[in-house]
Amino acid sequence: DGGITQSPKYLFRKEGQNVTLSCEQNLNHDAMYWYRQDPGQGLRLIYYSQIVNDFQKGDIAEGYSVSREKKESFPLTVTSAQKNPTAFYLCASSMSAKDYEQYFGPGTRLTVT
Amino acid sequence: EDQVTQSPEALRLQEGESSSLNCSYTVSGLRGLFWYRQDPGKGPEFLFTLYSAGEEKEKERLKATLTKKESFLHITAPKPEDSATYLCAVQAGGGGNKLTFGTGTQLKVEL
Repeated sequence: DGGITQSPKYLFRKEGQNVTLSCEQNLNHDAMYWYRQDPGQGLRLIYYSQIVNDFQKGDIAEGYSVSREKKESFPLTVTSAQKNPTAFYLCASSMSAKDYEQYFGPGTRLTVT
Repeated sequence: EDQVTQSPEALRLQEGESSSLNCSYTVSGLRGLFWYRQDPGKGPEFLFTLYSAGEEKEKERLKATLTKKESFLHITAPKPEDSATYLCAVQAGGGGNKLTFGTGTQLKVEL
């Protein structure tokens, strides 16, 4: 089955530690995205990548970093510089940068204490 | 700045009681309006894309419509399995592939 996988489903970290969230897709999509979802707020874009080895900052990129070394993979690192890292993180992909429809993975819930 | 406002925040319906969810938007040059369904603890599931005023799309008990200022998601004779949060998002012209999301309408359908 084609789709987007995110792992792990739940992640717990101590404050001050960096943590990397995995996102893999086998849809052969060129574009990938990372969003953050907080209660009472709409999804907010962290980073996006239109092609391999290229990515752009979204609206809330501070404290996060990404890489896009393979078409299938777009990992997100939450660094210790992110002031409020506890959230539900969603990865999405679209066929191309011009393709508007984005499809989402199941999400990773990160809790930092 | 692009804005999306969804109403109501929460809606409780009896099974079979039809209703509509609203998505009002302000955007410079709409390229597309999207509806998603999200179950608790899961990622959003794509439902519809609407591109121009007057366009309508249907899927089972759901029908999405679009005007120049808002979109409606009509739910006809809902069932308990339609209970979820429904998200609306817009994509503006010149905004790359960025989607601006509303905060969603939480729908509960009871027997």
